Amino acid sequence: AQKITQTQPGMFVQEKEAVTLDCTYDTSDQSYGLFWYKQPSSGEMIFLIYQGSYDEQNATEGRYSLNFQKARKSANLVISASQLGDSAMYFCAMREGPAGNTPLVFGKGTRLSVIA
Amino acid sequence: KAGVTQTPRYLIKTRGQQVTLSCSPISGHRSVSWYQQTPGQGLQFLFEYFSETQRNKGNFPGRFSGRQFSNSRSEMNVSTLELGDSALYLCASSSGQRTTNEKLFFGSGTQLSVL
Repeated sequence: AQKITQTQPGMFVQEKEAVTLDCTYDTSDQSYGLFWYKQPSSGEMIFLIYQGSYDEQNATEGRYSLNFQKARKSANLVISASQLGDSAMYFCAMREGPAGNTPLVFGKGTRLSVIA
Repeated sequence: KAGVTQTPRYLIKTRGQQVTLSCSPISGHRSVSWYQQTPGQGLQFLFEYFSETQRNKGNFPGRFSGRQFSNSRSEMNVSTLELGDSALYLCASSSGQRTTNEKLFFGSGTQLSVL
């Protein structure tokens, strides 16, 4: 079974608009961490934002925020005021367990295209 | 602070050959993880090394192996290459403290093409 599901293979958004990228996850652990990474065409994966399972507030980092709905097991990434440079692949990932001794597991990704 | 460096950036090999990829982590990081990225399977975890010991292993055949040196630099080796091994191989480093919130810092990857 997929641990991380990203149902949107591709998304388009107008420059300066906000966009939400969906991510649902599957785990029976109470302690886990959720990550979002951006991968531009250069190939390097860039860390964007982190949400811990026990965090009561939704994480925010600049124009990135995470809409964390624990009961629904979803961790959607919201990008506000989209810029042309936001065009890239976006990956949701999860690490399970309190000891952090499991590898980061990634979803298949969403390709975001920002239109001028 | 220099980022994660992977060499070479591109590699072309033929079936049956073997290949070695190199990764230099961020200074001070002791953990190196390797991932294979393909359009069909996405990012799949290969293995993680910490202080020269393999700490975690993914579900790949024994043709895929790795090692880590005392300076934390890591190499991965693929023997008897198959067409399906064509992929972007990403290396990531971290402190290795084993916390749920530990983030990985990735290199730009090595694009391997097997002909």
